[in-house]
Amino acid sequence: EPEVTQTPSHQVTQMGQEVILRCVPISNHLYFYWYRQILGQKVEFLVSFYNNEISEKSEIFDDQFSVERPDGSNFTLKIRSTKLEDSAMYFCASSERGTGNTEAFFGQGTRLTVV
Amino acid sequence: GQQLNQSPQSMFIQEGEDVSMNCTSSSIFNTWLWYKQDPGEGPVLLIALYKAGELTSNGRLTAQFGITRKDSFLNISASIPSDVGIYFCAGYNFGNEKLTFGTGTRLTIIP
Repeated sequence: EPEVTQTPSHQVTQMGQEVILRCVPISNHLYFYWYRQILGQKVEFLVSFYNNEISEKSEIFDDQFSVERPDGSNFTLKIRSTKLEDSAMYFCASSERGTGNTEAFFGQGTRLTVV
Repeated sequence: GQQLNQSPQSMFIQEGEDVSMNCTSSSIFNTWLWYKQDPGEGPVLLIALYKAGELTSNGRLTAQFGITRKDSFLNISASIPSDVGIYFCAGYNFGNEKLTFGTGTRLTIIP
């Protein structure tokens, strides 16, 4: 069964460093998302991406965050200068025709630890 | 922003028992979804509800979309060990591409 894959599964970084989290969405999907989940809390929306541009972003997704689809298969989330409070699980998701029409499938997540 | 509150926060039950959990919202949603999250995994969709009043089943799971569009419940009948995990409701509104997740209900099965 097709699945969303994320790498790495765990990343430890020093405060102030840049990190790039990588995702390979399901191949025929057109909508891509990043969500995060701080330990023990709910899943929070960060950003949605369609047709090579951001379609929606939350207030969490500030200037320190960016997303890119560099090569037609990968979808990346970059955090420019990490802060301690960026420590969380980051989930990539994709859907075929948008959340309202088709299921969003989530990856297994990348656990980011900022020290 | 829109808030989804789930109750109870956690449940401790014995295998074979039925489970019921709720989700209430401060505002209306067009679509309600129920996800399950196993430890170290991403959320997996269990049930999607598209119409107010709709009652939908998926095996031992039954969920309803409240008439007011501000609430939903999920029932699990005859619980089994693999039902352990965190259950999240999520709401969606037409015109935007995001899911708003609830606070979660953690289900534990006591041996």
